[in-house]
Amino acid sequence: DTGVSQDPRHKITKRGQNVTFRCDPISEHNRLYWYRQTLGQGPEFLTYFQNEAQLEKSRLLSDRFSAERPKGSFSTLEIQRTEQGDSAMYLCASSLWPRGRDSGANVLTFGAGSRLTVL
Amino acid sequence: DQQVKQNSPSLSVQEGRISILNCDYTNSMFDYFLWYKKYPAEGPTFLISISSIKDKNEDGRFTVFLNKSAKHLSLHIVPSQPGDSAVYFCAARALLTGANSKLTFGKGITLSVRP
Repeated sequence: DTGVSQDPRHKITKRGQNVTFRCDPISEHNRLYWYRQTLGQGPEFLTYFQNEAQLEKSRLLSDRFSAERPKGSFSTLEIQRTEQGDSAMYLCASSLWPRGRDSGANVLTFGAGSRLTVL
Repeated sequence: DQQVKQNSPSLSVQEGRISILNCDYTNSMFDYFLWYKKYPAEGPTFLISISSIKDKNEDGRFTVFLNKSAKHLSLHIVPSQPGDSAVYFCAARALLTGANSKLTFGKGITLSVRP
């Protein structure tokens, strides 16, 4: 298993354009999370899926953001009409819930992230 | 509202000495605490965790201490090595009905271990 994969690693776009990020989780993991990290901050929760169901969305996730996990495997995060404030690192993580190596803590395994720069 | 606080943005330690990274939290519903380490251009990597029913958990050179009454935890690294130089995030989980299990992160501490 190669871990959590994210693509692209870096995206530069102009304000107003749409961008889409893809996340491929660890294959046996049923939960998938999206986080956003800006400079000097820790990762902030955006949304998560259990299998194909999106179970929670943060208030940080405005109407311009949409996430999908159509077959319960990979996920996409789309940002429409990007703004300069969307510039951040978008992190995807996955976990196996409730069983896992350290199931009590539900350890999340993170990908390397997709860095978005909006000009 | 910052529920997980890492008030010291950086720490510099001599190789071989102890590194102590501190974390405070405000949400009494947190039941698990985790530490993640992050190198540049990589995602955060899980390091160690502790349940709220314990006050200490040890894994090799890494020990996490939890003081529930003070809502404080700390990560001890002994002995510190140059390869430990990274950003360390404290994270916490509140197990609510529905078992979201999402993690709330602090801002991170940049640890530099001098050779």
